[in-house]
Amino acid sequence: DAGVIQSPRHEVTEMGQEVTLRCKPISGHNSLFWYRQTMMRGLELLIYFNNNVPIDDSGMPEDRFSAKMPNASFSTLKIQPSEPRDSAVYFCATSPWTGTSSYEQYFGPGTRLTVT
Amino acid sequence: GENVEQHPSTLSVQEGDSAVIKCTYSDSASNYFPWYKQELGKRPQLIIDIRSNVGEKKDQRIAVTLNKTAKHFSLHITETQPEDSAVYFCALRGTFGTGTRLTIIP
Repeated sequence: DAGVIQSPRHEVTEMGQEVTLRCKPISGHNSLFWYRQTMMRGLELLIYFNNNVPIDDSGMPEDRFSAKMPNASFSTLKIQPSEPRDSAVYFCATSPWTGTSSYEQYFGPGTRLTVT
Repeated sequence: GENVEQHPSTLSVQEGDSAVIKCTYSDSASNYFPWYKQELGKRPQLIIDIRSNVGEKKDQRIAVTLNKTAKHFSLHITETQPEDSAVYFCALRGTFGTGTRLTIIP
């Protein structure tokens, strides 16, 4: 298994532009998490899905951020319009989940986003 | 997300000594308590975990202890080595602690 796949690995964009980050989970994992990591705020949970359904999006900073999981093999995190304070490393992580128990999360390599 | 508090935020120990990092939580329903290690420029990776029906788990030089009554769990690293230098996170239901930067002094 190739593990969790994220693309792009690096993204540099100008303020006001739309940014789309992509994640392909490990086959069979039915929980998917999006995180943002900065020095100031640490590792923040933005949103997570179980069986493609968003369960908790309370960590999404504001309406400029949206996430989708149209099927079990793909998820996107979109920022529109982007701002310099969105600069961070964005991680996608996936995990098996039975409905009652949590399990290890497997992280993708991350996308380093720079908004100028 | 869950409420997770992690201490200390930084920790420096002499090579060969032990390190202990603690996390406290508020959700009584939690039943899975993992610890992750993140090296500089890398992704977080699981190093040890414990479930609520066990009080302690050990894997070579690392161990995790759980006190469900007091709602805290701790990471113990013995005989520390330079490669243990990293940031360590506890996690609860997807919410990560604030991290502990561990530095091993040769």
